[in-house]
Amino acid sequence: EVQLVESGGGLVQPGVSLRLSCAASGFSFSSYAMSWVRQAPGKGLEWVSDISGSGGTTNYADSVKGRFTMSRDHSKNTLYLLINSLRADDTAVYYCARYSGSWYHFDSWGQGTLVTVSS
Amino acid sequence: QSALTQPASVSGSPGQSITISCTGSSSDVGGYNYVSWYQQHPGKAPKLIIYDVSNRPSGVSNRFSGSKSGNTASLTISGLQAEDETDYYCSSYTSSNSRVFGGGTKLTVL
Repeated sequence: EVQLVESGGGLVQPGVSLRLSCAASGFSFSSYAMSWVRQAPGKGLEWVSDISGSGGTTNYADSVKGRFTMSRDHSKNTLYLLINSLRADDTAVYYCARYSGSWYHFDSWGQGTLVTVSS
Repeated sequence: QSALTQPASVSGSPGQSITISCTGSSSDVGGYNYVSWYQQHPGKAPKLIIYDVSNRPSGVSNRFSGSKSGNTASLTISGLQAEDETDYYCSSYTSSNSRVFGGGTKLTVL
């Protein structure tokens, strides 16, 4: 069974950095591209970033480019999202999601980790 | 990349059919057959219900179906049930190699 478990969220002050993690199990982690999707409270889903199975290719939404860095560690079957210079509008539940083999849709999702940016 | 346009809400009675639209542009919905739909219950993770415009993952009820015409994709739910009452999101691949979601539609079963 595919399992994705996010962690690392919490209440943080504006301007600090935060690293989110997503522990993957139940599948061959390095064979799948992965993504982060966020959802602000009471709002819709927003695609944030993705990374190839090898980790060699990353893509970012324009709204986060330059502040967010996505990476993966195959020895730990873990996905990461480093968020720098956190802002109030980064407040959201952050989901990690697995792309299907085709890269065009998300076939498995974690339960999400809440990041709240507030002073 | 602007969000795809979905109606904020739709409603229907048990047993009826409803359709949720998802309008984009030739750079996303209209340019690729890579539209997917997700169902999200409150406080839960999204669940894939339709991919590649009209394909259903294993285990998803055949009451859910998808289609596309031009720049607009549609999700149809037939034989509405109380358990269908929740939020639905469309998503598309885009010409800039990104993904874009719709704003979401709240389905109410009357």
